[in-house]
Amino acid sequence: GDSVTQMEGPVTLSEEAFLTINCTYTATGYPSLFWYVQYPGEGLQLLLKATKADDKGSNKGFEATYRKETTSFHLEKGSVQVSDSAVYFCALAPRTGANNLFFGTGTRLTVIP
Amino acid sequence: GAVVSQHPSRVICKSGTSVKIECRSLDFQATTMFWYRQFPKKSLMLMATSNEGSKATYEQGVEKDKFLINHASLTLSTLTVTSAHPEDSSFYICSALLEVGREQYFGPGTRLTVT
Repeated sequence: GDSVTQMEGPVTLSEEAFLTINCTYTATGYPSLFWYVQYPGEGLQLLLKATKADDKGSNKGFEATYRKETTSFHLEKGSVQVSDSAVYFCALAPRTGANNLFFGTGTRLTVIP
Repeated sequence: GAVVSQHPSRVICKSGTSVKIECRSLDFQATTMFWYRQFPKKSLMLMATSNEGSKATYEQGVEKDKFLINHASLTLSTLTVTSAHPEDSSFYICSALLEVGREQYFGPGTRLTVT
């Protein structure tokens, strides 16, 4: 079945460090891929998405490229800020437009000044 | 973006009692809402899909008589955990869908602890 495997945290970085959070997926069809972010006390928010192979999603300095050959969708940011401290979830929808989402376990990022 | 609230944010109840969790879409009408459950260090697991005015659709392995879902209006869905047991302790998260195939908006979650 469809599933997502996400790098376990927690991750602690200094401000301006480079961030990578790994995410790989298993899917039988042509899934859409997402990264969600959850700030303390708030609901999950869509950070970025990609709907087909080689697409790159980007938002707020974060990027992730849909790699079908490696079944990966790693999240990257070149220079993190304290305000990026949150929990990040990788997710998959079995096909574009599908409403059911499969989530990874979440990775807690803490950025220290 | 759209806002979804959950109430309560945290609840402690005794084993054998029932507890109700509310999920509201505050600035939009949601024809579909979803309920997820998250165990410590585990993924969010979809429990059920709730459509306004009709019965909820439960995922395999989720007991519909234990987790009662009501979607009485376009802005409110409730999850009632009946005869709660300690193993029901978890983090419950809802999301609301403005339009089929579009983005889901998530609530902040409810931490349930059953003693």
